[in-house]
Amino acid sequence: EPEVTQTPSHQVTQMGQEVILRCVPISNHLYFYWYRQILGQKVEFLVSFYNNEISEKSEIFDDQFSVERPDGSNFTLKIRSTKLEDSAMYFCASSERGEGPYEQYFGPGTRLTVT
Amino acid sequence: AQKVTQAQTEISVVEKEDVTLDCVYETRDTTYYLFWYKQPPSGELVFLIRRNSFDEQNEISGRYSWNFQKSTSSFNFTITASQVVDSAVYFCALTRGGGFKTIFGAGTRLFVKA
Repeated sequence: EPEVTQTPSHQVTQMGQEVILRCVPISNHLYFYWYRQILGQKVEFLVSFYNNEISEKSEIFDDQFSVERPDGSNFTLKIRSTKLEDSAMYFCASSERGEGPYEQYFGPGTRLTVT
Repeated sequence: AQKVTQAQTEISVVEKEDVTLDCVYETRDTTYYLFWYKQPPSGELVFLIRRNSFDEQNEISGRYSWNFQKSTSSFNFTITASQVVDSAVYFCALTRGGGFKTIFGAGTRLFVKA
């Protein structure tokens, strides 16, 4: 069964450093998403991406964040200058196009620890 | 504004008991989509079900069933004859029609004891 993959599974970085989280969505999916989950808390939407542009973003997704689909398979989330409060699990998801939002299939997540 | 409320923070049951997880949502949209996801201790998010706002039919899938009631803005999830493997955090979520932003509830942590 096709699945969303994410690398790395765990990333430790120092405050102020840039990080890039990588995702490979399911191959025939056209919509891509990033979410984060601070430990023990709810899952929060960051951004959605379709047709090589951001389709929707949350207030969390400020200028420190960017997304890119550099080739036909990868989807990346960059945090330019990490802060302690960026420590969280980051989930990538993808969905097919349809008459409405199809179910989003989530990757296993990348745990980001900012020290 | 959209909102999803899962008032039950934690529920603990003994194996084979039935358990219902509550979800109440708020939205001004007439077209929207509701979801349930499971997050086991391993941390991944597993899709369970999607429901469209114009389809109030209840659904049963094995030991899982969902009761969608627009009149009370609720989308409750029942596990029949619970098993230890059902122990997880369950999230209810909402996406408005034509949108992509999915709003998650705070989650309900279910403990099923043997």
